[in-house]
Parts: sequence; structure tokens; C-alpha cells
Amino acid sequence: KAGVTQTPRYLIKTRGQQVTLSCSPISGHRSVSWYQQTPGQGLQFLFEYFSETQRNKGNFPGRFSGRQFSNSRSEMNVSTLELGDSALYLCASSLSRTGLLHGYTFGSGTRLTVV
Amino acid sequence: DAKTTQPNSMESNEEEPVHLPCNHSTISGTDYIHWYRQLPSQGPEYVIHGLTSNVNNRMASLAIAEDRKSSTLILHRATLRDAAVYYCILRDVKVDSSYKLIFGSGTRLLVRP
Repeated sequence: KAGVTQTPRYLIKTRGQQVTLSCSPISGHRSVSWYQQTPGQGLQFLFEYFSETQRNKGNFPGRFSGRQFSNSRSEMNVSTLELGDSALYLCASSLSRTGLLHGYTFGSGTRLTVV
Repeated sequence: DAKTTQPNSMESNEEEPVHLPCNHSTISGTDYIHWYRQLPSQGPEYVIHGLTSNVNNRMASLAIAEDRKSSTLILHRATLRDAAVYYCILRDVKVDSSYKLIFGSGTRLLVRP
């Protein structure tokens, strides 16, 4: 079966711009989470969506936002980009919110570079 | 969330067993122990999880100490493809805000041919 698909794979943006990243979960998975990975901070939780509602949010500024559609696809948006937003953004999907059935399945990520 | 402690790196020879340790002395009674790994240029990959009893699946085995203050991920025969960063994570899924993974720095496993 198809895995978690993230688009685009690579992105270069200028400071001050905004960006939208997309995530298509595994078919049937209703829980989608987003993570940011940087060399300095490692993997950090951004937010979690389930049934089109944000259920959980990490410690990121309000410039980071997201949404989930009725087909479970999710997007995250970062406005007013800063150099420090350069990172690998990972999306994970799961059958259940707990991830206890078969764990969370991650996509390969979107590499965002802010210049 | 309870904290885990893992060695920064470990080395193994190909086709030998690997034991990756994780200490979690502050684990609570409802914390599940999860293991994920991240291969180069990929997102993390679920490996295994357990609560109290040892667990086996096609990828690995998880041995949990009787007092649950430590656990060990066992790869029975390491291959070059197992070279990755391995993360040990505790989650209390009875707490609504814990529907997330908190990654530490993990253990980087190097596999020698």
C-alpha cells in the first residue's frame, strides 16, 4: 500500500515569505501529526490532527499553523519565514491517535531552506 | 513526560546480534516504551513497543526489565541496512496531551561489514 506522501520534497524560500507543505496519509489513517527536525533541536512535535480538528500543539509560535481536510490530508503553513525555520518537516499518520496499533508511519519529509 | 537515557553511539558487526539499551528510571505505570529508528535521509520508522512483557516482531525484540526502569532493543542479526539512529520513547497514552512522540537524541548504530 502507498505510504505517507509529502510534497514538495525540497523547497527554497526567502525570509518573510510564507510556505504551505502538504501531507497525504496512508489510506484509512485519520490521525496526522507534524514534526520539525533540525540538527540543533532534533525532532520536535508541531501539532496533531484527528477528524479535521487540531487535538494537540507543540511549543511553536503562532506563525506555524495547519489544518486537516475531510479526506484526512493535511497541510501545514509557516508565515513570515525566518532563517531558523530551515528544517526537515515530517508528517506522520496513524490508524489511531495513540499509535499503539502499528505505530506512526512517517513520510520522507519536506526539506525547507530559508535564505 | 518521563525521560529516557541512551548511549550516543554503538557499533556492531554485520550478522551479529545488537543490544541497544535504554534507561527510564522515572517511568510511570502507564507509560508505554516505544522504539523508532531513522535511516539516513528518511523519516523515523516504527520498530516496536511494549508495556510490561517482552515483545517480539519481525524487526526486533524488546526486553523490558522487571522493574521497568530499563529496556533493551535487540536486533538478532544486524545488517548494513540497520545502520540508523534508534530512539527510545516513553508515552503515557492515557494522558490526552501525550498523543505525540517526544524524541531524545537517540543512539547512532554503526554496522561494520
